[in-house]
This record gives sequence, C-alpha cells and structure tokens, in this order.
Amino acid sequence: DGGITQSPKYLFRKEGQNVTLSCEQNLNHDAMYWYRQDPGQGLRLIYYSQIVNDFQKGDIAEGYSVSREKKESFPLTVTSAQKNPTAFYLCASSISGDRLSLELFFGEGSRLTVL
Amino acid sequence: KQEVTQIPAALSVPEGENLVLNCSFTDSAIYNLQWFRQDPGKGLTSLLLIQSSQREQTSGRLNASLDKSSGRSTLYIAASQPGDSATYLCAPNRDDKIIFGKGTRLHILP
Repeated sequence: DGGITQSPKYLFRKEGQNVTLSCEQNLNHDAMYWYRQDPGQGLRLIYYSQIVNDFQKGDIAEGYSVSREKKESFPLTVTSAQKNPTAFYLCASSISGDRLSLELFFGEGSRLTVL
Repeated sequence: KQEVTQIPAALSVPEGENLVLNCSFTDSAIYNLQWFRQDPGKGLTSLLLIQSSQREQTSGRLNASLDKSSGRSTLYIAASQPGDSATYLCAPNRDDKIIFGKGTRLHILP
C-alpha cells in the first residue's frame, strides 16, 4: 500500500539529547513537510522540501534540522537547542510543491516526550 | 498574514443529524482549501480538496463548499454516525503556505 510511514510512534528523550524522527513515503511525491502540533494550537510548519537535496525553513525551524538525500525520505532531527520539544510531530507529502496543485497527505505522527 | 478560524470549537449531536462545520479565513486569495479529519493520537486524513475555481466538492456523505470572496468554507456531514466523531480541520493554501485552523472537535452521540 502507498503511504507515509513515520517512526517511532512514541519517543522519550532526556534533556540535552538529540533525536531523529523518520519519515518515509512510497507515493513518489516530490515535496515533503514536517509539522508540529501542540494542544490547543493549529499545526505549525517546521521545514519543507520541494525537491531532493533542497529544503527551506518553515515558521518554527529553530532547534530543528532536516536532510533530503533521497526522494522518499525526509528525517527530522530535534536538537538540544529546541527549548520545548515535547509535541506531536507530523510528516506530510504532496505530489509537488507547486502552489496550484498543493494537496497534503499525512503520516500517523510521532509523539516526542522530553523527560 | 492568513488567519483561519473554525467555529464551533466543539460540537455534540445525536446520531443521524445533519451538521455543518464552518471555516473562515482572512486572505481570500487562496489556490485551494483542504478539509481533514484527525482521530485522537493519529495523523490527518484528507477528506476533500476544493480548488479555488470550484464552489463545492462531494465525497459520500460529505460536502464541502467554498466562497472565496467572503473567505468561508463549510463542511456538511449528512446522516451523522458515531464513527464520524473526530476533529475536523480546514487548511487554505495561499502562496505555498498552508495555514491550519485549530479544528472543530465533533462528538456524535449514539
């Protein structure tokens, strides 16, 4: 089945540690996105990539890093510089990043808790 | 800056009722608008995508309408079922940026 796979589903981290969240898609989509969701707030864009080896900062990129070495993969690293990393993280993809045809499909999410 | 408001924030209705969820946005120059469903602890599931040139889109018991000029979209759910209980989010697309509303939390009472 085609889709977006995020792992791990749950992750616990001690303060000061970096963690990497995985996002893999087999939809052959060009564009991929990372969002953060906090209770009572809308989804906020962290990073996005419209093509391999290229990515742009979203609205809340500080304390996060990404890479896009393969079309199907867009891992997100939450670094120790992120002051409030406990959240639900969602990965999404779109056939292309073209504004006229932007339609998002989401993975099941990863919940990160900092102890 | 685009702002998206969804009203009501929460809604409980008996099974079988028809209902309407509202979404308003401040910048009407959008390319399209997507409606999503989110179950607790899960990712978002795309329900409907309406292009800016369209007035409505239908999928099964769901019908979404779009009035760009007034900055509004509605999601109509016919003959609601307990399985429709979830949070529904709207997301207009403007200049490569998709801004999400905070959602309407829907509870269908059996």
